[in-house]
Amino acid sequence: QVQLVESGGGVVQPGKSLRLSCVASGFSFNIYAMHWVRQAPGKGLEWVALIWYDGRNEYYVDSVKGRFTISRDNSKNTLYLQMDSLRAEDTAVYYCARLTTAWSLDYWGQGTLVTVSS
Amino acid sequence: QSALTQPASVSGSPGQSITISCTGASSDIYDYKASSDSYDYNYVSWYQQHPGKAPKLLIYEVNSRPSGVPDRFSGSKSGNTASLTISGLQAEDEADYYCTSCTRSGSALRFGGGTKLTVL
Repeated sequence: QVQLVESGGGVVQPGKSLRLSCVASGFSFNIYAMHWVRQAPGKGLEWVALIWYDGRNEYYVDSVKGRFTISRDNSKNTLYLQMDSLRAEDTAVYYCARLTTAWSLDYWGQGTLVTVSS
Repeated sequence: QSALTQPASVSGSPGQSITISCTGASSDIYDYKASSDSYDYNYVSWYQQHPGKAPKLLIYEVNSRPSGVPDRFSGSKSGNTASLTISGLQAEDEADYYCTSCTRSGSALRFGGGTKLTVL
């Protein structure tokens, strides 16, 4: 069955970096675009970044442009989110999710919590 | 600020039906067709999220249901507003619901602000 498992979250000081990983299994990872979506404590869902199936195109929400980098290693069935210059407002649960051709996210990971605090 | 506007909360009693709206406020999430005075707003999806859980896809392409989603959940669209209707409300339907749509350029996904459903 399809599984997405995130890891890499934790507590980090403002201005520091963190890299999240999302290991995919149960499907052909290399033919799906993938997303990162986050949810601040008590808040709604916010789209963060998108990468096409071959890694050639990446897109970001304005608030993370220049600080976050989405990437993937199709040989390892793994999606990444490199987060630099972290801010308190980046504190959230980060989910990876698979994109369908109908622009819906049909499978989600369980999420990993990132806390940015001094 | 969300490009998609949802009511903050709705409520209903078991067995009743409720509808959650999702209105597009940004012109980059749909195409207006002057010839037909309509909106091309077809990549609308709906998600259900219970506390502490990952979101679950309920509806895609406005009104299609993934396998396993009960037919009590249905989607529709009128103009620049999409809607999720839940009929025969059950206690387990109490959750947060989110709509999404892609931008016209296909370079981003927009979420609505979310609607908290309370089953009385």
